[in-house]
Amino acid sequence: QKEVEQDPGPLSVPEGAIVSLNCTYSNSAFQYFMWYRQYSRKGPELLMYTYSSGNKEDGRFTAQVDKSSKYISLFIRDSQPSDSATYLCAMSSAAGNKLTFGGGTRVLVKP
Amino acid sequence: GAVVSQHPSWVICKSGTSVKIECRSLDFQATTMFWYRQFPKQSLMLMATSNEGSKATYEQGVEKDKFLINHASLTLSTLTVTSAHPEDSSFYICSARWDPRPYEQYFGPGTRLTVT
Repeated sequence: QKEVEQDPGPLSVPEGAIVSLNCTYSNSAFQYFMWYRQYSRKGPELLMYTYSSGNKEDGRFTAQVDKSSKYISLFIRDSQPSDSATYLCAMSSAAGNKLTFGGGTRVLVKP
Repeated sequence: GAVVSQHPSWVICKSGTSVKIECRSLDFQATTMFWYRQFPKQSLMLMATSNEGSKATYEQGVEKDKFLINHASLTLSTLTVTSAHPEDSSFYICSARWDPRPYEQYFGPGTRLTVT
């Protein structure tokens, strides 16, 4: 069983819809939770991060962490075709420790 | 923002030859650099972690004699794939940081290696 599980998709939504992404994990030591966006044949780009539990909002993006359920989510409001990419969750147990990535979810926003 | 570059972006080499990939932090000094490997439609797998001036720490299952990593300065790390074989064909991505906080890790654009 992988430490971090993520549905590979693809997830296809119409433009303007809400995109809902999530990851589950097994390591209760994870404290830092990140979401990255990766366009085809490019490096990952950090979208949001959360420390411990709770919600965080940044523009069209909302990240949620439920440590009791070992479940994290990313919501993208008013999705645009330019949001079409692969979204990776990543986690770490402490500062200085390595990142553990989920497998990524491919998202396609159709005009 | 912090920028990390990689060179080359794409390289084709023949089986049995070696190829070097460079990773540079352009506007910050990276105390730690990471090398990842990514197969098509799969996630990033950490290969090794390197600190400037120290030997790299390899993840379990990664052959250190095959994937040579040198972190010669605070702005440059290199990955050399020695005696490359077709199964080494992959997308190699480096990242760099100066701050130990996990989200303060910046990724390069990746290098596509094709071994024929």
